Order: sequence, then structure tokens, then C-alpha cells
Amino acid sequence: QQPVQSPQAVILREGEDAVINCSSSKALYSVHWYRQKHGEAPVFLMILLKGGEQKGHDKISASFNEKKQQSSLYLTASQLSYSGTYFCGTVSSDYKLSFGAGTTVTVRA
Amino acid sequence: KAGVTQTPRYLIKTRGQQVTLSCSPISGHRSVSWYQQTPGQGLQFLFEYFSETQRNKGNFPGRFSGRQFSNSRSEMNVSTLELGDSALYLCASSLVNIDRGLGYTFGSGTRLTVV
Repeated sequence: QQPVQSPQAVILREGEDAVINCSSSKALYSVHWYRQKHGEAPVFLMILLKGGEQKGHDKISASFNEKKQQSSLYLTASQLSYSGTYFCGTVSSDYKLSFGAGTTVTVRA
Repeated sequence: KAGVTQTPRYLIKTRGQQVTLSCSPISGHRSVSWYQQTPGQGLQFLFEYFSETQRNKGNFPGRFSGRQFSNSRSEMNVSTLELGDSALYLCASSLVNIDRGLGYTFGSGTRLTVV
């Protein structure tokens, strides 16, 4: 079963912050985050493991709430280069990496 | 270091034909997974291979099949093509199985159009 992402889309001005949420009905072993720019391959951002801590990648960080089977991706002080579609991927007991529908982020100058 | 290479980049096929797509993972990566990406369905998991063995399979009909060779290169085959098979097919590789906690590196994909 695919995780649920929200919001579907967000528009930001440079320097603004945003949060993207990802939730699953299954007990999760790990959560992946990827970004895909138009016409390009998805690029791995980070992975959060069960029992792990919050991760960061430049000004993009993420958290994983194991009890709620939820993860959040935080875009801080957004830059034009942050534009793209962000996908969360979850791994549960079936060991399949299932992706959410994606969140389209547009950062404007 | 070369990335994940998928060939061909674009393909146009007729309904009823079959097609084979190829993926060469990053050198040293033994896990290869395939995904179908469409605007309506997003990224859908097809299969995962590790050391020539299929470890996992998604919910696709038997027309979709794959294999992995001893050099970790992988192919996927779709037989009796349908219009709905038109999609971007992405291959992703990793050093180890998905349950070992590492991310994937994706290829640029093969854009398949069925007419």
C-alpha cells in the first residue's frame, strides 16, 4: 500500500519554509525521500531508519515518528534549486519501497 | 563514477508487440529495482533483483518480467503491449537490498510509447 503525502503542491518564495508530510497505515522499517526535477531521474535525498535520528541535507531535513508511522520533510530558507517533485518512499515488512504520489514544490524569486 | 544507464531512452511500439528494456547499475551495486512512472499512478514498483534472484515483485500482470545477469545488469520485458503500458520505466540500483537501509540511485529512464 502506498504512503499518503500532503500537500499535493506548494508554492514558496525564496527564503520561505515548507513542510511535506508522509504517512503510512503500515509499521515502517524506513522512510526514503527523493526529489525529481522535470525530465530528470529522482535523486536520493536521505533515508530515516526505524530507531534512527532526524537527518539533514543542507537546509533540508526530515524526521520519522515511528509510533505514528509518519515522516516529515522540512525545507528551510528555500532556494530556487529546491523546486521539483518530492517523493517519500516507505519500506515495511514486505521489503518493497513504495512511493507516495509526490508533492510539487515551486520556489519563486 | 558512471551512473545508472538505461537503454534505450525512447521507444515507440505497437500494441501487441513485446519490448525489452536494459539497465546497467553503478559498478559494484548488486541490487536493481524497476519502477513504472505515469502521471496518474506515480511511481509503481515492478520488481527487485539481487544477485540474479528476484527478491520482490509488485502488482503487475505476468506480461511484465525481468531478470538480472551475473554482472548485475538487468533487463525487463513486457509482452503483448497495451496502450496503458505507455510510461517512463525507471531502473534504480543500490549496493545492497532495500532492507539494509541505503538509498537508490535512479537511471534517467526509458520512455515507452505504445501506439
